[in-house]
Parts: sequence; structure tokens; C-alpha cells
Amino acid sequence: QTVVTQEPSFSVSPGGTVTLTCGLSSGSVSTSHYPSWYQQTPGQTPRTLMYSTNIRSSGVPDRFSGSILGNKAALTITGAQADDESDYYCMLHMGSGIRLFGGGTKLTVL
Amino acid sequence: EVQLVESGGGLVQPGGSLRLACAASGFTFSSYGINWVRQAPGKGLEWVSYISVSANNINYADSVKGRFTISRDNARNSLDLQMNSLRDEDTAVYYCARDRSPYYMDVWGKGTTVTVPS
Repeated sequence: QTVVTQEPSFSVSPGGTVTLTCGLSSGSVSTSHYPSWYQQTPGQTPRTLMYSTNIRSSGVPDRFSGSILGNKAALTITGAQADDESDYYCMLHMGSGIRLFGGGTKLTVL
Repeated sequence: EVQLVESGGGLVQPGGSLRLACAASGFTFSSYGINWVRQAPGKGLEWVSYISVSANNINYADSVKGRFTISRDNARNSLDLQMNSLRDEDTAVYYCARDRSPYYMDVWGKGTTVTVPS
């Protein structure tokens, strides 16, 4: 069974740049998986950040960017801020209408 | 204001049933597919099910296939998730989320909590 993989945790300094990745246990992520990214702080509802690999959702600052890096989808935060400290989830479309979330990355800004 | 509001959560014994509802407002409900996504305590997001605008395309995660049934009533701007044969691993906050093309979610409800004790 295919699993969507994400780093369990990551740390970045304020003002720094961090790239979170989203891969597959078997195979490569491509634009055909329509990667999307969601941010969630504890106790809150998920917020949509990015869709279709690199399109920012309404109101998302341009320091968030999406791409395909090698065989993975990637979310890059440039100039990290304290309120970027959250859990980040990617979601892939696996075909036939099936969506899969990754396990999430807990980002710490310190 | 575009809004999704879930209801119907609660405590149910293993093997029992529960019906969740999702009420939409602020947008043309009949023009959007809707997803259910759940989150177990301290765990990540898990996609559960999707229903298209006219309910002619329905998908389920393997973990719930055969036990959960998604349906919608466009006249009432509402969506249901009938959950049968519940297990302790179904314990989670259940969110409904508006589907957008291609294959992402842009509006989320605040969720309703389902608890199935072990």
C-alpha cells in the first residue's frame, strides 16, 4: 500500500529558509499528483496553503512556494516567522478520485 | 461568509453507528464536491471520502470502504456521512471540506468529534 512520506519534524531559525518535502513510498511525485499543502496549528482547522504543486491559495504570503524537487513535492518557506510554527501536511491525488495525506511535518521556528 | 458546519458527533460503542452532517452556507453548494477528512487524537489528517456535485462520483479510503456511506442533499445544502460498524480506530475529529479542481480543499469546517472507546 502506497504511503505519502513527510519529514516528521523540522526546525528553522527566524528569517531562515526551510524546504519540507512530500514523497511516495513507491514511485515519484509529479505534477499529475496535484500536490497540495495545508497548515494546521494545534487545536485549529487546517488552512490551505498551496495547490496544484505551486499555486498559492488566497491570502497566502509569497514567502511560501511550492515545487517538484527531484522525485518529491516541496514546500519552501523563505524568511520564516514565528507564526509559521505549525504542522504541515501534503496531499496527493492518487488517481480514481483517491486522495492521500502525508503524515505531516511539525515545523519549529527557533 | 462561506461556511461549513459539522454536527452529529458523539460517543458510540464499538460496532455501533453514527450519522454525521455537514451544513453549507455562503456559496452554491450544488456546484462543489465535498470531502470528509478526519484526524485521530494527536495524529495527522486522513482523507475519508469524496462526493461529486451530483453524487455520481463517490470515493472512499480503504479504511472505511464498506462501512461508511457519503450522501448529499443539494436542496438542503447538506452532506451526510453514515458510519456503521464503528471501531476504536475511527475515533477522530471529522471535518468536511469543500473540494476544488484540481483535487484540493479550500474551505474547512471546524469539525465534529467521534469517540469509539476500545
